[in-house]
Amino acid sequence: DTEVTQTPKHLVMGMTNKKSLKCEQHMGHRAMYWYKQKAKKPPELMFVYSYEKLSINESVPSRFSPECPNSSLLNLHLHALQPEDSALYLCASRKSVYRRPRQGGKTEAFFGQGTRLTVV
Amino acid sequence: EDKVVQSPLSLVVHEGDTVTLNCSYEVTNFRSLLWYKQEKKAPTFLFMLTSSGIEKKSGRLSSILDKKELSSILNITATQTGDSAIYLCAVETSGSRLTFGEGTQLTVNP
Repeated sequence: DTEVTQTPKHLVMGMTNKKSLKCEQHMGHRAMYWYKQKAKKPPELMFVYSYEKLSINESVPSRFSPECPNSSLLNLHLHALQPEDSALYLCASRKSVYRRPRQGGKTEAFFGQGTRLTVV
Repeated sequence: EDKVVQSPLSLVVHEGDTVTLNCSYEVTNFRSLLWYKQEKKAPTFLFMLTSSGIEKKSGRLSSILDKKELSSILNITATQTGDSAIYLCAVETSGSRLTFGEGTQLTVNP
């Protein structure tokens, strides 16, 4: 099973709404990522979770709030978003993240199919 | 700031042609370089390169890393219309951060 599952596939929300994006993997991966991708642009890193702890926050506005309840699940809570936040939100997971800074991951990152978010 | 640059940004070829896509990087604490193919939604993994000079091959696709030149190439031989996609290069640095290049939009015409 090399699947990363994201729900919902599509989401339309108003600027005052609160919603959550979900990501799930059962590959035993201990690194999970949130990326944002605008049309015709590469994915931009938002957050990295390593062993269920937030290890990287790329100065993302606080209206995006990640949560990693356990090693299989990653959520992204959304509140008071702006229309410019409309994008494809991609979740990825990776087999191993090493605790020591000099070491790196030894496998590829698997991506979910993404949630197409529209903020109106 | 870590930088990953891909070229060309866009390429149009005919079926059967061979293409070479380039990726160069300037990063701190390089760990690995990954190639992905993106069609409609999620990027799908192609190759991961960590050692210089060792070619990775999968069917008509192959890739090699040159750590001296801080670059990698992705070759596709005998292209097919199904190869039309955006090809993304990503570089892993410490903390498992993946930084993506802008991508190369490849269009293969019949």
